[in-house]
Amino acid sequence: GQQVMQIPQYQHVQEGEDFTTYCNSSTTLSNIQWYKQRPGGHPVFLIQLVKSGEVKKQKRLTFQFGEAKKNSSLHITATQTTDVGTYFCAGLRTTDSWGKLQFGAGTQVVVTP
Amino acid sequence: DAGVIQSPRHEVTEMGQEVTLRCKPISGHNSLFWYRQTMMRGLELLIYFNNNVPIDDSGMPEDRFSAKMPNASFSTLKIQPSEPRDSAVYFCASSRVMAGGGQDTQYFGPGTRLTVL
Repeated sequence: GQQVMQIPQYQHVQEGEDFTTYCNSSTTLSNIQWYKQRPGGHPVFLIQLVKSGEVKKQKRLTFQFGEAKKNSSLHITATQTTDVGTYFCAGLRTTDSWGKLQFGAGTQVVVTP
Repeated sequence: DAGVIQSPRHEVTEMGQEVTLRCKPISGHNSLFWYRQTMMRGLELLIYFNNNVPIDDSGMPEDRFSAKMPNASFSTLKIQPSEPRDSAVYFCASSRVMAGGGQDTQYFGPGTRLTVL
């Protein structure tokens, strides 16, 4: 089963609105990465979070790593049609070897103009 | 600089046939990963290599799947015999292991869409 849970599975957003996708792990993570996959494309790295409570911003995207290093969130403000795609979180559990990223199922984002 | 290169981009084959997927990682990267993506199971790590050595193959579904990395610039994933349930998009990704053991970003190739009839 999925080791890293992501919600929601689907997100319908009106252009200009904000939304948040969440990622939860039952075990502590060494780090968490976020990827974006456009329809028909391949996952593309967005960011990596390592420290407890870390917050990073990329323009309209804000990424957060929980204090307990078990959850993370991605918040997008003023959604644009270019934000369409599936957003994956991928966590490295402290009990796993360095390369074994656990990918969430992804949040598929559809933007209505 | 070229990214991760995968071939073929599309493969249609009949059940029972052997399928070989190929990957050329980014030059200078010492880690290579094979993933499978389906609607039902999402993105699954099948196997990964570090310095051409398989580190973890616990994600390989069964003995019909095998992967090799004969040198730093080439890897193959072979399915023999193939079955309809193997139909998926197979991604190869590469990265660097940083000093101190941390892992750098994974760069994904364009994927091979496999259809087994």
